[in-house]
Amino acid sequence: NAGVMQNPRHLVRRRGQEARLRCSPMKGHSHVYWYRQLPEEGLKFMVYLQKENIIDESGMPKERFSAEFPKEGPSILRIQQVVRGDSAAYFCASSPGFDNQPQHFGDGTRLSIL
Amino acid sequence: AQKVTQAQTEISVVEKEDVTLDCVYETRDTTYYLFWYKQPPSGELVFLIRRNSFDEQNEISGRYSWNFQKSTSSFNFTITASQVVDSAVYFCALSEAYSGNTPLVFGKGTRLSVIA
Repeated sequence: NAGVMQNPRHLVRRRGQEARLRCSPMKGHSHVYWYRQLPEEGLKFMVYLQKENIIDESGMPKERFSAEFPKEGPSILRIQQVVRGDSAAYFCASSPGFDNQPQHFGDGTRLSIL
Repeated sequence: AQKVTQAQTEISVVEKEDVTLDCVYETRDTTYYLFWYKQPPSGELVFLIRRNSFDEQNEISGRYSWNFQKSTSSFNFTITASQVVDSAVYFCALSEAYSGNTPLVFGKGTRLSVIA
């Protein structure tokens, strides 16, 4: 399956721990987007990255959240010192960045904070 | 600012009924894309359709059809002869189109339950 791969599928953390969510884009895609879906809500944009660059992080909380998309390897969404309110589904999408191709979504990571 | 409104939070229909999911959007962009996604109980997002703002032709794909009305800023989705497998949350979304690389703005979704 050459789709967008997210892992882990489920992640449980205690308050104060760190959460790392990974996203491998589709082959040939160099643009990655992270979205957060709170319970019973739609998806909200967090951050948009190209390889080694953050293009738009207007949807990312200013504290505790960071994202990277290194030259090699997956994109990582990192949440430090997690709190109960961080419990959500986090979706990654990728696109090739040309020809107005649509974003393809991964299956998401469900983060639960105890 | 862009905004997508899905006024119907939950809809229940009996199998084989037709159902229409409403989507109203706001944008100042002259070119934009509209999308529909399906999120079944398993949680993944399934892409259904993308429509360019220049193309107001209605689209039909099997039991699915979409009605794009630029005059009313609406992009409604109809499922004909609904089936239990159509039970899911459906999201309408919007993005600007001139670069193709902008984030999507999602509505809050409509939860459709199809009862056998």
